[in-house]
Amino acid sequence: QQQVKQSPQSLIVQKGGISIINCAYENTAFDYFPWYQQFPGKGPALLIAIRPDVSEKKEGRFTISFNKSAKQFSLHIMDSQPGDSATYFCAASSLGGSARQLTFGSGTQLTVLP
Amino acid sequence: EAGVTQSPTHLIKTRGQQVTLRCSPISGHTSVYWYQQALGLGLQFLLWYDEGEERNRGNFPPRFSGRQFPNYSSELNVNALELEDSALYLCASSPRLAGGRSQYFGPGTRLTVL
Repeated sequence: QQQVKQSPQSLIVQKGGISIINCAYENTAFDYFPWYQQFPGKGPALLIAIRPDVSEKKEGRFTISFNKSAKQFSLHIMDSQPGDSATYFCAASSLGGSARQLTFGSGTQLTVLP
Repeated sequence: EAGVTQSPTHLIKTRGQQVTLRCSPISGHTSVYWYQQALGLGLQFLLWYDEGEERNRGNFPPRFSGRQFPNYSSELNVNALELEDSALYLCASSPRLAGGRSQYFGPGTRLTVL
């Protein structure tokens, strides 16, 4: 019930291409869906987040698409750059109650080739 | 503004030993979350503290414990270390009751159990 499933496990994209990472969740109590970016030796950093009352959110080259009925959400990175090479984690949480911690997907290692 | 800090950076222990990890949240944040990031397993929620109280814990044995001090800093204690406890331990902080929103991570403590 608490799982968040993420795919693909790894992704290789050419510079300038579009990177797409997908996540699916089971717990309908989740109402906040962030994406984190993690570079080697660093802690995860919040990239972008969405609430389920909108279907899309865009910040610069990063876009979250959200499908509430399918319980799926995805991250699109437009014009991917070598500096985007990192591990990306989707996550979900409930903003109320006792389960306010983040439940993370398993991560996607993105490599953007120059 | 200083971010979340963790100490030590690296730690090597042997099976059966005990370890204490430390976390200082961002100023003004009262919630502290602990996560375990084992190789290839993503981030798993360990413990959540707010206002000095344990608010929730993940699916980990009781030998994982912690506390939060009046200044909102926190300790994670792991007793009777096992080989599979080798992981990056991440601390995150957020404003009180912000939950999954606004969780900022520290750089982590790399624990190696031999």
